[in-house]
Amino acid sequence: EAQVTQNPRYLITVTGKKLTVTCSQNMNHEYMSWYRQDPGLGLRQIYYSMNVEVTDKGDVPEGYKVSRKEKRNFPLILESPSPNQTSLYFCASSRGQGGTEAFFGQGTRLTVV
Amino acid sequence: GEDVEQSLFLSVREGDSSVINCTYTDSSSTYLYWYKQEPGAGLQLLTYIFSNMDMKQDQRLTVLLNKKDKHLSLRIADTQTGDSAIYFCAESAFNAGNMLTFGGGTRLMVKP
Repeated sequence: EAQVTQNPRYLITVTGKKLTVTCSQNMNHEYMSWYRQDPGLGLRQIYYSMNVEVTDKGDVPEGYKVSRKEKRNFPLILESPSPNQTSLYFCASSRGQGGTEAFFGQGTRLTVV
Repeated sequence: GEDVEQSLFLSVREGDSSVINCTYTDSSSTYLYWYKQEPGAGLQLLTYIFSNMDMKQDQRLTVLLNKKDKHLSLRIADTQTGDSAIYFCAESAFNAGNMLTFGGGTRLMVKP
């Protein structure tokens, strides 16, 4: 079954404690992205990757890091989380350019206290 | 950056038609999308339309695109309680590497 898998689904952490949210896709997609969803703001892109070892900043990259060492995995790293990073995070992957369908993970609800 | 805007909330009665509207600013948009998000779930692609099309119909869903006014709408015929969800409009462009830009989402509430 084609899917994008994120872990964990829920996470409560304290300010400053490094965390990683994993994302894996089984569709051999080149494009992967991370979004955060906040009420009334829709989804805003944090980082994206067009291929292995190629990553770039999205609209709201501050406070986040990513890596793309393998095609299937695209982890999101928060080196020093802060309360304003409390949000719902989605990973997505797609085949490539031009109207291809983006597959989304189920989301990770992160709370930073 | 480019903007995609939607109204926040829509309430309809079961059996009525729902129309969710969206405006965007990127004149180079290649594709426009409608996603559905049910409570506690990720986004599910409902339909998309290529920018050189005016209309696309898929069962109960009709997408209308007015490229001149940069206006996109999603009509759901015979709305059911199971259609209650948040609907996101999004656009992508060839010259932006197919990166999606989302609107803020419209919460559709269907009353029995």
